[in-house]
Amino acid sequence: DIQMTQSPSTLSASVGDRVTITCRASQSISGWLAWYQQKPGKAPKLLIYKTSSLQTGVPSRFSGSGSGTEFTLTISSLQPDDFATYYCQHYNNYSFGQGTKVEIK
Amino acid sequence: QVQLQESGPGLVKPSETLSLTCTVSGGPVGRYSWSWIRQPPGKGLEWIGFFYYNGTTNHNPSLKSRVAISVDTSKNQFSLSLNSATAADTAVYYCVRGVSYVFDIWGQGTMVTVSS
Repeated sequence: DIQMTQSPSTLSASVGDRVTITCRASQSISGWLAWYQQKPGKAPKLLIYKTSSLQTGVPSRFSGSGSGTEFTLTISSLQPDDFATYYCQHYNNYSFGQGTKVEIK
Repeated sequence: QVQLQESGPGLVKPSETLSLTCTVSGGPVGRYSWSWIRQPPGKGLEWIGFFYYNGTTNHNPSLKSRVAISVDTSKNQFSLSLNSATAADTAVYYCVRGVSYVFDIWGQGTMVTVSS
């Protein structure tokens, strides 16, 4: 099975910072990767699919990139509403990364 | 807009069957896949399985043969059955719509505790 590993596990940042989260696959997965945002007590929300396609309604400060085994989620200017946990998901076997918590510095 | 709502017992005894239902409103259950995903307290997300509208099903191999997912188009609902429950099955369970291998619409989640 393909394993997804996110880094860092926790990230401390300030409003306005540029934030990057990495998701690494144990083998090449082409472009079949999605990103989700989850706030405490809430269901996850789809942000990005197929590596870099923005889900309808998601702010343009979110972007995704990558290929092969390494993928990134970037928030260009962190906003107060963005403090949350982020998960990557590989399409094959629907496996999720372990999550990255973005907290206030 | 499409909305999903989970329902079912919040407490299940060990060795019994965990059963949940998801009611879909605002759209038909046809033409999409319908999944269950769970999240143990303080932990990450685990896909359980899906039922595709054409009858195809699939589930997480880690759950072996304990999982059954079905759809009732007449009620616009889909259901999860997880037998031989243990404490390790304690989690928030989400019902989720899938489209092109991603999960675009989620229910609010329901907490299920497995305990005697």
